[in-house]
Parts: sequence; C-alpha cells; structure tokens
Amino acid sequence: AQSVTQPDIHITVSEGASLELRCNYSYGATPYLFWYVQSPGQGLQLLLKYFSGDTLVQGIKGFEAEFKRSQSSFNLRKPSVHWSDAAEYFCAVGPLPGGSYIPTFGRGTSLIVHP
Amino acid sequence: DAGVTQSPTHLIKTRGQQVTLRCSPKSGHDTVSWYQQALGQGPQFIFQYYEEEERQRGNFPDRFSGHQFPNYSSELNVNALLLGDSALYLCASSSRLGLPGNTIYFGEGSWLTVV
Repeated sequence: AQSVTQPDIHITVSEGASLELRCNYSYGATPYLFWYVQSPGQGLQLLLKYFSGDTLVQGIKGFEAEFKRSQSSFNLRKPSVHWSDAAEYFCAVGPLPGGSYIPTFGRGTSLIVHP
Repeated sequence: DAGVTQSPTHLIKTRGQQVTLRCSPKSGHDTVSWYQQALGQGPQFIFQYYEEEERQRGNFPDRFSGHQFPNYSSELNVNALLLGDSALYLCASSSRLGLPGNTIYFGEGSWLTVV
C-alpha cells in the first residue's frame, strides 16, 4: 500500500533562514506527489505538485520541491522563510489503486518561525 | 467565485447520535471527496463521489456513508457516533475524478466533537 512519511513533526526556523521539509514515500509505480499547506482555521492549499517531467518543481509562495526517485523523496524547500509561512505542511502521494487521483497524506510537519 | 463551502463549521454531538455534514463544491467541479483529519494527523480519505455514485472508498466502516446530489453537492453521514469520530472533516472538490491536470480544492472543514 502506498504511504508517506514525514519524519519531522515540528521544525523551527528563524525568519529569513532557509527551509527544507522532508518527505519520503512508498509507492509501487511512478507516483504523483504533492505538497499542501494548512494554516490554522483554514483548509488545505496546494503548494505544488509533480506528475512527470522536470524533477524540480516550482510552486506558489516561493516554494520548490525536488523528486528523487532513487531516494523515494520529495523534499520541500524555500530559500528564505517569512513569518507568514508558519503553518502545517503535508506531503501526499497518489493515485490510489484503481486509478483515482486521490492523494494519500502524511501526518504533517508543523513549521514554527521565530522572528 | 466561491470555493468549496462546508457546513456546519463546528458541532458537538453525543455518542450514539448521527451527524450530517454538507459540502458544496467549487463552481465547475463535479467530483467530491471527503477526508477525516484527527488532531495532529494528516487527512485520511473516506470516500469519493462522482456522477452521484460512490467511486472509491478508504478504510472506514459502513457507519460512514454519503450522497451526492444532481447539483454536485454532497453530504457525509456518520451513524452511531464514537468518541474517536471527533475530528475535522474536510471536503475536497475537483473536476473529472481529479485527473492529473486538475487541482483538488479543499474546504475549511467541519469540526465535529463527540462527547
């Protein structure tokens, strides 16, 4: 069965510092990969997605992620974090068996930004 | 353009009761998925509806049921509520079964507390 592991429950960074959130997946074929962000009291917002092609994917809000098949990873990066980036970040993999493009989510990483 | 709207935003129920949550998809979307997000966890897929039929289901008991109406809106019903059903219930909408080129949009969720 497909699964996603986000090994860091919490990450703390200083504003202006660089950020990398880790994501490892288990999937039997070529996966579709996603990063979502969830701010308090809000729904999930898609940051970026990878389906095929260039393994370095650019997203919204200055985020990027790199698909590394050999490491089964899809880590999220940002060169300079802003205080407004504090939120919960979820990595997800799809599709489900049967072909429906429904993402399976990891447990999330909480990003704390210090001024 | 309204996004995905869910109601109610918060509710409290007693063990053994039944609850109905509602979702209106984003304009132009015909597919609705439901997720359960327990505190500190990632969203877990419950089921997906397309053309008024349940198309795919996650690992949830039959106490969880749903419906999709001709206008594409959807309901999630949970019978015989357990304390463990306390969670944020997220609705997600997409077009045509969430094909790779189509972004899945999430609502802000309905917080259910079972006491």
